[in-house]
Amino acid sequence: EPEVTQTPSHQVTQMGQEVILRCVPISNHLYFYWYRQILGQKVEFLVSFYNNEISEKSEIFDDQFSVERPDGSNFTLKIRSTKLEDSAMYFCASGSRAGGLAGELFFGEGSRLTVL
Amino acid sequence: GNSVTQMEGPVTLSEEAFLTINCTYTATGYPSLFWYVQYPGEGLQLLLKATKADDKGSNKGFEATYRKETTSFHLEKGSVQVSDSAVYFCAQGGGADGLTFGKGTHLIIQP
Repeated sequence: EPEVTQTPSHQVTQMGQEVILRCVPISNHLYFYWYRQILGQKVEFLVSFYNNEISEKSEIFDDQFSVERPDGSNFTLKIRSTKLEDSAMYFCASGSRAGGLAGELFFGEGSRLTVL
Repeated sequence: GNSVTQMEGPVTLSEEAFLTINCTYTATGYPSLFWYVQYPGEGLQLLLKATKADDKGSNKGFEATYRKETTSFHLEKGSVQVSDSAVYFCAQGGGADGLTFGKGTHLIIQP
């Protein structure tokens, strides 16, 4: 069964360092998303991506964040200069239709980022 | 903006008990509604969904009915098992942000 895969599963970094989280969405999906979940809190939308550009982004997704689809399979989230409050589980998701309408989103297992 | 409200946890039940986890949404129109489950150490998995009013989603013994009149999508199961212990997220779809999630409800089933 096709699945979304994410790497790394856990990354520990120092404050101010750059981090890249990687995702391989399901191959025939066109819509890609990043969400994050701070420990004990709800899953929050960060950004959606379609046709090689950002469709929507939340207020969390400031200039420190960027996304890229460098080739036909990977979808990356970069945090340029990490802050303590960036510590969270980051989930990648993909879908075959826009906006989680009738179709579901498929989530990866998450990348846990710990900023010290 | 849209929001999803679900009951606070943790919810602790004995095996074979009846489960209800309440969920209400705020949105104009008819968003699709979802329940996702997160087992310990794993990612989010779709449990069930409903795409229009009065639809009932069901899977693994869980059910939820899309109630437009009460803007609700409560999750129910008649007899829970220890293996159902997980965090359950209610979500609504329909925008470019994909899904809006509730805060999640941690369910603990004791043998």
